Amino acid sequence: ETGVTQTPRHLVMGMTNKKSLKCEQHLGHNAMYWYKQSAKKPLELMFVYSLEERVENNSVPSRFSPECPNSSHLFLHLHTLQPEDSALYLCASSVQYGSSSVEQYFGPGTRLTVT
Amino acid sequence: SQKIEQNSEALNIQEGKTATLTCNYTNYSPAYLQWYRQDPGRGPVFLLLIRENEKEKRKERLKVTFDTTLKQSLFHITASQPADSATYLCALSGYSTLTFGKGTMLLVSP
Repeated sequence: ETGVTQTPRHLVMGMTNKKSLKCEQHLGHNAMYWYKQSAKKPLELMFVYSLEERVENNSVPSRFSPECPNSSHLFLHLHTLQPEDSALYLCASSVQYGSSSVEQYFGPGTRLTVT
Repeated sequence: SQKIEQNSEALNIQEGKTATLTCNYTNYSPAYLQWYRQDPGRGPVFLLLIRENEKEKRKERLKVTFDTTLKQSLFHITASQPADSATYLCALSGYSTLTFGKGTMLLVSP
C-alpha cells in the first residue's frame, strides 16, 4: 500500500449521471493530483493542488470539477460525461518544496466506464 | 512542444539478463528525471529519481543514467526476474508537476 486510497475502485455511469471520485492520502503530503490514463496514452495531468493553490490543465473539460477541502482529501466531481471519458483515474500526492517536484505516490485508481 | 519518447514496443528478455529501457526527451530541461513501475490496473510506483547534476544512480538491481547533453536516460535492471515484468514509465519534473512518457512494457521469461 502506498498510503493513498481511492474510492470507488470501479464505476459505471450513464452520460446523465453525477458522481464523485474520492482520494485520501495518509502521508502528510502538501500536494495532490488527478491524472487520467487512457489506453496507449501517457498519464495526463488534470489538476494539481499544491501548497493550497490550484493549478489546472486548461484542456480539461468543465464536466470535471475538482475539490480539495484539506491537504489530505481530494475529490473529482463528474457530470454529463462522454464515452471517451472512460479511463483509469489516478490520484497522487507528494511533498512540494517551493519550486521542487519530487516523487509522487499514486493510489490504485478508479476504473471509470461511461455508457 | 515538449516530447518524451519511450520504446513503444514491448521488451522481451530472458530471466537473468540485464534489461535496458530508454527515455529520450526534446524541448525540455528537467531538473529531475524519475522512473516508475506500473502493473496492469494499478497506479504507478516510484522507483528512482536522478537529478540533472547526477550522471548515475543505483538502487539494489536498478541503475539509472541521465545524460542532459543527449537528453536521454537509460534504466537498467540487472539479473532480471519474471516478477520484474511490468510497464516502466519515465517522468520529467517541472514546477510542481511531472510529465510522463507512455511507458515501455518489459516481459521477463523464465
